[in-house]
Amino acid sequence: DTAVSQTPKYLVTQMGNDKSIKCEQNLGHDTMYWYKQDSKKFLKIMFSYNNKELIINETVPNRFSPKSPDKAHLNLHINSLELGDSAVYFCASSLGVYNEQFFGPGTRLTVL
Amino acid sequence: AQTVTQSQPEMSVQEAETVTLSCTYDTSESDYYLFWYKQPPSRQMILVIRQEAYKQQNATENRFSVNFQKAAKSFSLKISDSQLGDAAMYFCAYRYGAAGTASKLTFGTGTRLQVTL
Repeated sequence: DTAVSQTPKYLVTQMGNDKSIKCEQNLGHDTMYWYKQDSKKFLKIMFSYNNKELIINETVPNRFSPKSPDKAHLNLHINSLELGDSAVYFCASSLGVYNEQFFGPGTRLTVL
Repeated sequence: AQTVTQSQPEMSVQEAETVTLSCTYDTSESDYYLFWYKQPPSRQMILVIRQEAYKQQNATENRFSVNFQKAAKSFSLKISDSQLGDAAMYFCAYRYGAAGTASKLTFGTGTRLQVTL
């Protein structure tokens, strides 16, 4: 009965590689988000989709590309990974833009 | 731009005692929402409590309550009868009340709460 799930939970990779993180929610929500938590625990929004439309696109390198194939999924693809991309990435979802956001368990990405 | 400030990087409280975590924010908007999230070592982000800016009454959820001072732009979290399971990072967050970019949560830098026996 997982609400918001992310795969993988841990990802270790080399600099320069391309990787994807998947997010799925089974709550019937129509809005999904990606947040990044850096090594100092600071959390910041990256992207948000509402009904598969991009509504928030913060200042994020264009190596990061979100994709929302349907309302229940929001994937994050990262090209040419850099050391500074190491962080925990959280997916979240909400019903509409006003309501509580439910977070996934996070994906810890380590770039070597 | 909205900013959220948590001036206490770490706090400690004894079990069964009460602790207050501070949060201030800066906004020119009148319609917004404030939240406290808890992040235990498991990394999961858990919503503890929320407050709508238009409500004067302070929100309460069991042992958790807030002191919302709109004019002072202050939003502190009080945890009563602290338990070992309350040990976690606590994040204060702000969200604008209108559509579009409103769905963005702006977080403070967090306060790590230790609970001692």
